[in-house]
Amino acid sequence: DAGVTQSPTHLIKTRGQQVTLRCSPKSGHDTVSWYQQALGQGPQFIFQYYEEEERQRGNFPDRFSGHQFPNYSSELNVNALLLGDSALYLCASSAGLNTGELFFGEGSRLTVL
Amino acid sequence: QQQVKQSPQSLIVQKGGISIINCAYENTAFDYFPWYQQFPGKGPALLIAIRPDVSEKKEGRFTISFNKSAKQFSLHIMDSQPGDSATYFCAARASNFNKFYFGSGTKLNVKP
Repeated sequence: DAGVTQSPTHLIKTRGQQVTLRCSPKSGHDTVSWYQQALGQGPQFIFQYYEEEERQRGNFPDRFSGHQFPNYSSELNVNALLLGDSALYLCASSAGLNTGELFFGEGSRLTVL
Repeated sequence: QQQVKQSPQSLIVQKGGISIINCAYENTAFDYFPWYQQFPGKGPALLIAIRPDVSEKKEGRFTISFNKSAKQFSLHIMDSQPGDSATYFCAARASNFNKFYFGSGTKLNVKP
C-alpha cells in the first residue's frame, strides 16, 4: 500500500520564478493538505483540498495556489518566488475532512536562490 | 501569534531514561492533539494522539498526558532508546477540520 508520494524531492529555483509541486495521497484518502516547513520549525498549514475545492486556507499570500484532481492527487503552485519561500513542502492526506489522522509524504525541498 | 507552544527546543536523555516534552495551547476550540515524530529527510509520522475528553493515553513506551484546565499536554517516552532520536512535534487541530497547528519541535538525542 503506497503512502503519500511527492515529487520532485528537491528543486532549485531563482527569485521570481514559478514552481509546481505534486502529491499523490495514500490509497483510500480523498483529502489533501499542504504544509510549509521552514528549517528548524514546525509545519505551517497552507491549504486543504477536498472534492476538488479549497476548503481551508492558512495565512499564506495568493502567490500560493493549488489544485486537486478527480483522482484526489494535488498540486501546489507558488508564483513570483521569494528567498523566504525556501522550505520543505509537505503534503498530507486523510480520509475525509475531519478524521484527525494525517499521513505525510517525505516532502519537496525547495531552494530559492 | 503561535497557537501551540512547545518546550524544550532540544533534549538529551540517557538510554533507558524518560523523555518529557511539553506543549501548551490557548484555543479552547482545539479538539484533537497528536504528536508526530520526524527523522531527518523524512516527513512527520503520527506517533500517538489524544482527544480532550481523556486525561491520559498510553501506547507502548509512549504516553500523552492531557490537562484540559491548564491547556497543556505532554509526551512521555519511557525507556528511551537511541532509535528514538528524532524531532518531535506536538500539534492541535481546529475543530471539525483537519487544519493543524504545530509546535516548533523538540530535537531529542538519546545517548547510548
